[in-house]
Amino acid sequence: DIQMTQSPSSLSASVGDRVTITCRASQSISTYLNWYQQRPGKAPKLLIYAASSLQSGVPSRLSVSGSGTDFTLTITSLQPEDFTSYYCQQTYGAPYTFGQGTKLEI
Amino acid sequence: QVQLQESGPGLVKPSETLSLTCTVSGDSMSSYYWSWIRQPPGKGLEWIGYIHYSGSTNYNPSLKSRVTIVLDTSKNQFSLKVNSVTAADTAVYYCARWKERLFDYWGQGTLVTVSS
Repeated sequence: DIQMTQSPSSLSASVGDRVTITCRASQSISTYLNWYQQRPGKAPKLLIYAASSLQSGVPSRLSVSGSGTDFTLTITSLQPEDFTSYYCQQTYGAPYTFGQGTKLEI
Repeated sequence: QVQLQESGPGLVKPSETLSLTCTVSGDSMSSYYWSWIRQPPGKGLEWIGYIHYSGSTNYNPSLKSRVTIVLDTSKNQFSLKVNSVTAADTAVYYCARWKERLFDYWGQGTLVTVSS
């Protein structure tokens, strides 16, 4: 299985800050990487697919980069609704594994 | 708008079979893959497997010996069975549509607790 390692597991920030979440794959996954946002008690919501494509409706303050094994999700000018959990997921090959998640706290 | 809704018992006894159904509305089930994902309380997400409209399946090797996913196109539903459950199978179970290497629509999730 391809292991996905996210860091940090939790992150404290303030409204208006800029934060970066990192996702590392145990082997090259090209750009087969998605990012999801999950609010407490809710299903995950797709934010970014294929490493760099923003899902419709996702604000432009989110940006992504990376290919191969190392990927980053950056959120600039944090808004109150951004303080929740984020997961990366590789879709290079089954089983389609997720990172352990990053909880962004205010 | 595609909608998915999980249904099934919220409590299952150890060693018994967990059974859930996902009902799809708002679109045809054809041409897509239909998946199950679970999340133990306070933990991360685990892909269980998927079924294609054609009936072909792909399961997570960690669960393959205990899992079956079946499609019922006449009812616009697909279902999950997990045999010989233990406390480690306690989780929120989500159904989702898998399209072009992403999960674009999800159900709201249903908590299944394994306990005697």
